[in-house]
Amino acid sequence: AQSVTQLGSHVSVSEGALVLLRCNYSSSVPPYLFWYVQYPNQGLQLLLKYTSAATLVKGINGFEAEFKKSETSFHLTKPSAHMSDAAEYFCAVSDLRGSNYKLTFGKGTLLTVNP
Amino acid sequence: KAGVTQTPRYLIKTRGQQVTLSCSPISGHRSVSWYQQTPGQGLQFLFEYFSETQRNKGNFPGRFSGRQFSNSRSEMNVSTLELGDSALYLCASSNRGLNEQYFGPGTRLTVT
Repeated sequence: AQSVTQLGSHVSVSEGALVLLRCNYSSSVPPYLFWYVQYPNQGLQLLLKYTSAATLVKGINGFEAEFKKSETSFHLTKPSAHMSDAAEYFCAVSDLRGSNYKLTFGKGTLLTVNP
Repeated sequence: KAGVTQTPRYLIKTRGQQVTLSCSPISGHRSVSWYQQTPGQGLQFLFEYFSETQRNKGNFPGRFSGRQFSNSRSEMNVSTLELGDSALYLCASSNRGLNEQYFGPGTRLTVT
């Protein structure tokens, strides 16, 4: 079975500061990993994905994440936070192959950006 | 390309009633998955349909069902609604070779 743990249900940063959202996964097969963002009253938007190519993945809005197999981690970072980054962020793991075609999500991290 | 659309966006139902939610995937996508999002349980997988067949199912009671039509549009049905069914129901579409899912805006269901 696959699972995701997001450390910190709420992270607060100042505008211009580094954003670091933590994600650890468990998977019995080589995983596909994703970060999604959800703004209030909206669906999920894909930020970036790792599918066994480059371990450093760049996404939209200046976000990036690094896959570290030895640490089973896929942390999301952004060098400089913007007010518009305030949202809830979800890490997900998936097989997305074969019969087990689904995403398993973490509990989410609410990011607050202070002026 | 138009994104995933879900109708209705908001719904209020009474305990014991049934409800049908609709999802239109991105053009060309043949896989549609449904997820339930609640504050307590987070995002949970309901089921996936591909080429009109349910390929995978999450751990939900039989009151939750779905179907997919030949044009890939999907519906999910919840019968005998309970208060705990109040949630945001999200639909995601994909091509299975694409290794990513695109989500719609969701249907907010409130059961009173």
